[in-house]
Amino acid sequence: DQQVKQNSPSLSVQEGRISILNCDYTNSMFDYFLWYKKYPAEGPTFLISISSIKDKNEDGRFTVFLNKSAKHLSLHIVPSQPGDSAVYFCAASARMTGYSTLTFGKGTMLLVSP
Amino acid sequence: DAGVTQSPTHLIKTRGQHVTLRCSPISGHKSVSWYQQVLGQGPQFIFQYYEKEERGRGNFPDRFSARQFPNYSSELNVNALLLGDSALYLCASSLGSGSTEAFFGQGTRLTVV
Repeated sequence: DQQVKQNSPSLSVQEGRISILNCDYTNSMFDYFLWYKKYPAEGPTFLISISSIKDKNEDGRFTVFLNKSAKHLSLHIVPSQPGDSAVYFCAASARMTGYSTLTFGKGTMLLVSP
Repeated sequence: DAGVTQSPTHLIKTRGQHVTLRCSPISGHKSVSWYQQVLGQGPQFIFQYYEKEERGRGNFPDRFSARQFPNYSSELNVNALLLGDSALYLCASSLGSGSTEAFFGQGTRLTVV
């Protein structure tokens, strides 16, 4: 039972263009969402997050959009750079439970070519 | 300023053996969580500890156990290792049990042969 789904295993984008990574969730208790970036042989690195009370959060080249009614979020990277090539994980948390464990998707491998 | 540190970075064990993995959180962080990541999957939650108490447990067998020490460092123990326990084990630290921004270490790559 996958509660967080990233249906695209991989995505290829040209440098300078927009990268859009998608994530769907099924658990209505999730109220906080995060994106992590992971390079091989390293742990995941926190990228950006969004609370369920918002529909957009921006940090530099990275923007996360949340559509609660569709239980869908997306990460936009503009402009994409070759150094962005990594695996991106979407994660969700139910903070109302009092402790926050993260439920991750399977990840999307992004390849940005020069 | 040190981030989350895990040791060892790589480990090879034989089926049936026991393993202990260690984690030191970011200074000032009181919560440590453990995750297992098998190839092709996202990290799966194993345990969360806060102030030396277990605050959450994922769907893992009793062969998996953990503890947190007074200095907030943590150990993950796995008994009677199976081939399927081969994975990257990640430790994450956060300020408190309700904190959502978790910061991960580089992981311990465990191979069971």
